[in-house]
Amino acid sequence: DAGVIQSPRHEVTEMGQEVTLRCKPISGHNSLFWYRQTMMRGLELLIYFNNNVPIDDSGMPEDRFSAKMPNASFSTLKIQPSEPRDSAVYFCASSSGTGWASKYFGPGTRLTVT
Amino acid sequence: TQLLEQSPQFLSIQEGENLTVYCNSSSVFSSLQWYRQEPGEGPVLLVTVVTGGEVKKLKRLTFQFGDARKDSSLHITAAQPGDTGLYLCAGDTGGGADGLTFGKGTHLIIQP
Repeated sequence: DAGVIQSPRHEVTEMGQEVTLRCKPISGHNSLFWYRQTMMRGLELLIYFNNNVPIDDSGMPEDRFSAKMPNASFSTLKIQPSEPRDSAVYFCASSSGTGWASKYFGPGTRLTVT
Repeated sequence: TQLLEQSPQFLSIQEGENLTVYCNSSSVFSSLQWYRQEPGEGPVLLVTVVTGGEVKKLKRLTFQFGDARKDSSLHITAAQPGDTGLYLCAGDTGGGADGLTFGKGTHLIIQP
């Protein structure tokens, strides 16, 4: 089992540029989550999908952030335009079932916006 | 407002010592999970507790869920350098495929 796959692992970009983060969930999982982790704020939920449908995007910081899940095996998180305060590690996680079903996290994408 | 407060934030102890870290909230959780995260990796689930007063053991790790389901503790016996990492608690306030609410974690270092 390959686990949750994220790409790229590291991204360095200049302020104002568009950034796209990618995630492939574990096959068969029907829920996908995007989290952001910083030292100051810890791990924060940005958005989650169930059966490819966005369920709760209340954690998305602002309109510069958008997420899509066109099919069960792929999701993207886009930031346009990026700002230095977006620098963080972004994690994708997937799970099957509901409620307290185990969530499996990917290795994360470390984003640095200069 | 931090929904889940973890303490201590940082803990450095010698190999062989025992330790307890805490996860507290004013909210009631239907379930609570503990994760361990190592540098450069994503969090990995250790345990899920769902019943008030529940105690689960995972080798040298003992997890307890408070009777009122508002708090939890993780006790490690005879800590080893391999236990080093960031320990995160995460609460689920309702049913459905909800995203968890995470604490900021306890950074644990076990020195050989």
